[in-house]
Amino acid sequence: DAGVIQSPRHEVTEMGQEVTLRCKPISGHDYLFWYRQTMMRGLELLIYFNNNVPIDDSGMPEDRFSAKMPNASFSTLKIQPSEPRDSAVYFCASSHLTGTSSPNEQFFGPGTRLTVL
Amino acid sequence: GEDVEQSLFLSVREGDSSVINCTYTDSSSTYLYWYKQEPGAGLQLLTYIFSNMDMKQDQRLTVLLNKKDKHLSLRIADTQTGDSAIYFCAEKGNTPLVFGKGTRLSVIA
Repeated sequence: DAGVIQSPRHEVTEMGQEVTLRCKPISGHDYLFWYRQTMMRGLELLIYFNNNVPIDDSGMPEDRFSAKMPNASFSTLKIQPSEPRDSAVYFCASSHLTGTSSPNEQFFGPGTRLTVL
Repeated sequence: GEDVEQSLFLSVREGDSSVINCTYTDSSSTYLYWYKQEPGAGLQLLTYIFSNMDMKQDQRLTVLLNKKDKHLSLRIADTQTGDSAIYFCAEKGNTPLVFGKGTRLSVIA
């Protein structure tokens, strides 16, 4: 398997523009996570899905952020309109939850580095 | 709610031991994890420990778990420049993994 795939790897945009980040999870994984990483705040969970359904979006910072998972092999994170403070590395991760009796590994993509000017 | 705390920075000299500490709040956590993030990459699982264990050793890595104090540590023996990375502690309780903010380890040659 190619692992979790994210695109683009780098995105530079101007304030006010719409940004769409894309993720393809590992085949067979039923959980998908979106994280944001900054120097100031570290790693933050934004939202996660189980079987394509959003379970917890309490980490989404504002209404400008939205995430969708139309099918098991694709998810998007959209920021509209973008602001300079959205500049960060955005990670997608996927996992197959095995229950409490087994360890659960999350597999991370390489991230998308977003710069909003 | 569940929370994982760890210091943000650690600096050590090459050849010394590094100890990265973490505290967590969910006493029902069944597994605790250490993830490593190398520059420009995503997080990767480094090691994990089951909650009924006190210690786990894997080559240069030693994980210690104090369940009473909800304290987890990662010791890296003979730290090398290649160990420079961000290390994340994570717990698994009733929800998917909860990560700490990460400890940035800098190794000075």
